[in-house]
Amino acid sequence: ELKVEQNPLFLSMQEGKNYTIYCNYSTTSDRLYWYRQDPGKSLESLFVLLSNGAVKQEGRLMASLDTKARLSTLHITAAVHDLSATYFCAVVPMDSNYQLIWGAGTKLIIKP
Amino acid sequence: NAGVTQTPKFRILKIGQSMTLQCTQDMNHNYMYWYRQDPGMGLKLIYYSVGAGITDKGEVPNGYNVSRSTTEDFPLRLELAAPSQTSVYFCASSYRSRRGIVEQFFGPGTRLTVL
Repeated sequence: ELKVEQNPLFLSMQEGKNYTIYCNYSTTSDRLYWYRQDPGKSLESLFVLLSNGAVKQEGRLMASLDTKARLSTLHITAAVHDLSATYFCAVVPMDSNYQLIWGAGTKLIIKP
Repeated sequence: NAGVTQTPKFRILKIGQSMTLQCTQDMNHNYMYWYRQDPGMGLKLIYYSVGAGITDKGEVPNGYNVSRSTTEDFPLRLELAAPSQTSVYFCASSYRSRRGIVEQFFGPGTRLTVL
């Protein structure tokens, strides 16, 4: 069974702290996506990781991909309140070009 | 470009009623998807399409139907609505680069309640 597991599912943290969200997947894949969803809103693409060792950064967020470990991380540096949202990772299995397999999401609350 | 648009934004149905959720994209993407998102949960794929005239079932297709007569439009039909279909429905589209599917672009969603 194809699975994408995110850890933790819920995270409450203080502004200024660093933290990492983990995304493990069970299938072979070299394509992983991170999305952000604000409450009551749609999903917005954050990062597209297309190869082993890929690292992308935007502002206080940095995402990386280790295809051998089947693991992606989303690192938050010096968190600010505006980063409060739910973050989803999704992978495209190697035997499919059509479907994304989604994680359950990590709800991140950053307290001022 | 408007991107992916969905109508309606909100709808309340009675049990047994039917309705069509509309989805249109103006990015000339071949791939289109319908997802549902239950409260506090991730996305579940209902149906997807890889081009006009081609559709296929996703993870949770029961109770739904789709059609894809044009590249732009991908309506989702609910027949005999049930309370279990209360959810937020997202339509998405994407294109295929040389390296495979690039990220999906999402519509604003339709919030459906079945009473």
